[in-house]
Amino acid sequence: GAGVSQSPSNKVTEKGKDVELRCDPISGHTALYWYRQRLGQGLEFLIYFQGNSAPDKSGLPSDRFSAERTGESVSTLTIQRTQQEDSAVYLCASSQSVTDQPPTQFFGPGTRLTVL
Amino acid sequence: DAKTTQPPSMDCAEGRAANLPCNHSTISGNEYVYWYRQIHSQGPQYIIHGLKNNETNEMASLIITEDRKSSTLILPHATLRDTAVYYCIVRVAYAGNNRKLIWGLGTSLAVNP
Repeated sequence: GAGVSQSPSNKVTEKGKDVELRCDPISGHTALYWYRQRLGQGLEFLIYFQGNSAPDKSGLPSDRFSAERTGESVSTLTIQRTQQEDSAVYLCASSQSVTDQPPTQFFGPGTRLTVL
Repeated sequence: DAKTTQPPSMDCAEGRAANLPCNHSTISGNEYVYWYRQIHSQGPQYIIHGLKNNETNEMASLIITEDRKSSTLILPHATLRDTAVYYCIVRVAYAGNNRKLIWGLGTSLAVNP
């Protein structure tokens, strides 16, 4: 596809359940980012991938959050034992290789997660 | 720890220019100024970026002051579809493995008919 895609677009789950959120970056983009956006707030950085390695995991809020990436394509953000405070829109973005100056991030539409 | 300050909201009449200010008084010499916008229920959209010189593209113009401590995003002929939250962000182009953007709360622009 032409842009970043994310699935599902909406996810409603019960407290304590695990969820997986998927991101398909733009073809050829080696960098991939995950952000969280709570209602009425700005974006909160979670994790960044360069290829399939994650040099910066500093934004992951707890050990319940993890992410992986297969090669230079799909990434999955997993939240274990979800809590109500995890409710937010989770946004994925991708950018070209490290040689682009400066890297411009292209965003997907997000996954709206609601934890009941 | 966003490095930018923006007014929380602004209004603009349809067809008029929208001028969105941003203060970044602590910007470093190697930091770029980025602008993104987020239309309701959508992911953020890149608009424009600059380092020192003024920039223009098909979406907007970016005016950066000579001391680089502030900038203005200009939408020359605002339309109703430009109603969105506009984010001003500063960051270095290359920062080792640190490529995250630090987002503030942005300016909510309402374009009125």
